[in-house]
Amino acid sequence: GIQVEQSPPDLILQEGANSTLRCNFSDSVNNLQWFHQNPWGQLINLFYIPSGTKQNGRLSATTVATERYSLLYISSSQTTDSGVYFCAVRNTGTASKLTFGTGTRLQVTL
Amino acid sequence: DGGITQSPKYLFRKEGQNVTLSCEQNLNHDAMYWYRQDPGQGLRLIYYSQIVNDFQKGDIAEGYSVSREKKESFPLTVTSAQKNPTAFYLCASSINGGYNEQFFGPGTRLTVL
Repeated sequence: GIQVEQSPPDLILQEGANSTLRCNFSDSVNNLQWFHQNPWGQLINLFYIPSGTKQNGRLSATTVATERYSLLYISSSQTTDSGVYFCAVRNTGTASKLTFGTGTRLQVTL
Repeated sequence: DGGITQSPKYLFRKEGQNVTLSCEQNLNHDAMYWYRQDPGQGLRLIYYSQIVNDFQKGDIAEGYSVSREKKESFPLTVTSAQKNPTAFYLCASSINGGYNEQFFGPGTRLTVL
């Protein structure tokens, strides 16, 4: 099946810093989503971005489907950005499931 | 308020007992999904349903069962045949079973004592 790799696995930032999270996938996709999992376990939808670039406030994402990667940018990080960020993809032509990466754990300190 | 609800939030069971986790949505979505998350890991698909009265196994269906009698509801039963049931269970839904965005409920933490 499709493989999804996220990097870095862990990231510690000072408040106000910028960061880039990466998601590589091994096959063609027609759905790619970025999620933030908060400390209570809730998965919060950040972006639905099978291709192209989107921005939402301090967050933006870019997916280059032909090169099989996606990037999540966090600017001016805040302590509330802490948590785990997951990338999930749906392989083209397969059943309706998302395959998740193992996540990037972000800690933002004061 | 539109959304996905899961109950209970925490669940404890003894070995050998079956237990049912509830998932309800009022988003009028056709497709619903159950995922399992183990500590430090991503989510893995257990079962999914694209329409009422139909469902398919995901990657880790052994030891689990589901039903889809109503569009709004997709309960998951963790049976005694599931060898390692302690995990965080998340339910999701999407408009249909294609490549549409999936939305998740708050999850149920199951602990087997």
